[in-house]
Amino acid sequence: QVQLVESGGGVVQPGRSLRLSCAASGFTFSSYPIHWVRQAPGKGLEWVAIISYDGNNKYYADSVKGRFTISRDNSKNTLYLQMNSLRAEDTGVYYCARVGLVGATVGPFDFWGQGTLVTVSS
Amino acid sequence: QVVLTQSPSASASLGASVKLTCTLSSGHSSYAIAWHQQQPEKGPRYLMKLNSDGSHSKGDGIPDRFSGSSSGAERYLTISSLQSEDEADYYCQTWGTYVVFGGGTKLTVL
Repeated sequence: QVQLVESGGGVVQPGRSLRLSCAASGFTFSSYPIHWVRQAPGKGLEWVAIISYDGNNKYYADSVKGRFTISRDNSKNTLYLQMNSLRAEDTGVYYCARVGLVGATVGPFDFWGQGTLVTVSS
Repeated sequence: QVVLTQSPSASASLGASVKLTCTLSSGHSSYAIAWHQQQPEKGPRYLMKLNSDGSHSKGDGIPDRFSGSSSGAERYLTISSLQSEDEADYYCQTWGTYVVFGGGTKLTVL
């Protein structure tokens, strides 16, 4: 069955960096675009970034542009989010989510991970 | 840029039905959306993709109690025979250049 498992969250000071991972299984990872979505404590869902199935196209929310970098290693079935210059407002649970359309960049998310918590605090 | 609007809260009794609404901003009434459920302390779960003509395709294992419909710029999620585990936050999602979420509706089952 399709599984997405995030890891790498933790407590980090403002201005520091953190790298999240999302390990995929149960499907042909290299055929699907994957997104990062986050959720601040007690708030709704916020889209963060997207990478195309082949890694050639990447897009970011304005709130993270220039600070976060999304990447993927299709040989390892793994998605990454490198987060630099972290701010308090980046605190939240980070989810990876698969777009349920082969070859598309955007579309409905048909599978989600369980999330990993990032806390930015001094 | 498309905007999705949801009521912050809704409530209904155990065994009853409830209809949640997601409204697309002006000029975007042809957009499809997806509905997602987030139970307390859990990650979101995909419920269905809902097209502007009301046709929908549900995710794996989603019960028949969950259905979708459309009217103009409104997209609906109807949950019938409400159960306690349906108490959750419900988010609509759409996509254009990027991805947009509604603010979510917190459903309380009385």
